[in-house]
Amino acid sequence: DTGVSQDPRHKITKRGQNVTFRCDPISEHNRLYWYRQTLGQGPEFLTYFQNEAQLEKSRLLSDRFSAERPKGSFSTLEIQRTEQGDSAMYLCASSLLPGLAGGTNTGELFFGEGSRLTVL
Amino acid sequence: DAKTTQPPSMDCAEGRAANLPCNHSTISGNEYVYWYRQIHSQGPQYIIHGLKNNETNEMASLIITEDRKSSTLILPHATLRDTAVYYCIVRVAEGQRGAGNKLTFGGGTRVLVKP
Repeated sequence: DTGVSQDPRHKITKRGQNVTFRCDPISEHNRLYWYRQTLGQGPEFLTYFQNEAQLEKSRLLSDRFSAERPKGSFSTLEIQRTEQGDSAMYLCASSLLPGLAGGTNTGELFFGEGSRLTVL
Repeated sequence: DAKTTQPPSMDCAEGRAANLPCNHSTISGNEYVYWYRQIHSQGPQYIIHGLKNNETNEMASLIITEDRKSSTLILPHATLRDTAVYYCIVRVAEGQRGAGNKLTFGGGTRVLVKP
């Protein structure tokens, strides 16, 4: 499978614990995004990277959240001191900077299947 | 990015065309209309996008009104596997002046294809 992969797919944790999610983007994609989705809502943007640089962070990304993409390939999203309100699906997406790989690339996002977090 | 308005839900008969409307009355001249869908328990999937001309690909057709204030996504022959939430999004395309680098999702339209 050459799509975006996320791990773990499901995580149940107790309030106050730290959790970390990993995202492996499509191999040649230089942009990587994190979104959060709660039940019945559309995905909400959290942050994105271009290569290893984190270029934008949403106000939703509180100081308990940290995302890294140290070598411009995979990324991790860590949540410290989890709260019940953090329960959600965490989605990762990747894209290729337009203009690369020929003229057909228009930078659309490819999403993984998400990591579902339940905080008890 | 400009906001979009979609009906919260709609039903469609299997084998018939599904026409999904979207209003984007405040769209700017350099903003494209994108459609994504999300099947239950999966991540969103790109369907199609366009600027002002109608577009067609293997998944769907996109009809954009002449004033660009609304559009319709057409699934020509809906199947049960097309049951999903469909999101209409407007954004400045990559490489354009003022381009944002993220998609801003609304609530979408929950489409149920019935046998």
